[in-house]
Amino acid sequence: QQQVKQSPQSLIVQKGGISIINCAYENTAFDYFPWYQQFPGKGPALLIAIRPDVSEKKEGRFTISFNKSAKQFSLHIMDSQPGDSATYFCAAGERSQGNLIFGKGTKLSVKP
Amino acid sequence: DAGVTQSPTHLIKTRGQQVTLRCSPKSGHDTVSWYQQALGQGPQFIFQYYEEEERQRGNFPDRFSGHQFPNYSSELNVNALLLGDSALYLCASSVYQGANYNSPLHFGNGTRLTVT
Repeated sequence: QQQVKQSPQSLIVQKGGISIINCAYENTAFDYFPWYQQFPGKGPALLIAIRPDVSEKKEGRFTISFNKSAKQFSLHIMDSQPGDSATYFCAAGERSQGNLIFGKGTKLSVKP
Repeated sequence: DAGVTQSPTHLIKTRGQQVTLRCSPKSGHDTVSWYQQALGQGPQFIFQYYEEEERQRGNFPDRFSGHQFPNYSSELNVNALLLGDSALYLCASSVYQGANYNSPLHFGNGTRLTVT
């Protein structure tokens, strides 16, 4: 019940295309859903986060879509750039608790 | 403004030994969390410290222990190292916001621990 399932494991997109990464969770108590970006040799960096009272949140080229009834959320990267090539992690947690549950990650490669 | 700093960056230890990893939180942050990231996996929560106390703990054995100091810095100790403890250990800091423990986490670049 504590798992967060992320897909796909890897993704190759052409420059200018749309990258879509999906996550599903089981614990209905989760009320905080962040996405992190990690480059090799670096720690994860927060990209964007959403709470379940909102169905969509957009920040620049990054958009989170959230479907509470399906217990799913996704990250869309518009106009993908080679500099977006990194590993992306979705995560979920309860704001009253101290921990986040991370997905296994999606390695994104954007080809020029 | 210094972000989260961790030391050392790399460490090689032998099975059965003990190790201490260190973390200085981002300026203005008072809460420190530790995560273990195995190769090709997402980070796994070990524990969180606030006000020098362990507030939450993940599914890790007692061999993993920690400490937070009055200046908010933190240490992670692992005793009786196993080969399976080889991983990237990440420290993340945040600001306590009442019931909202999950204020944005700022991660350091981690300590790569190799157990041989």
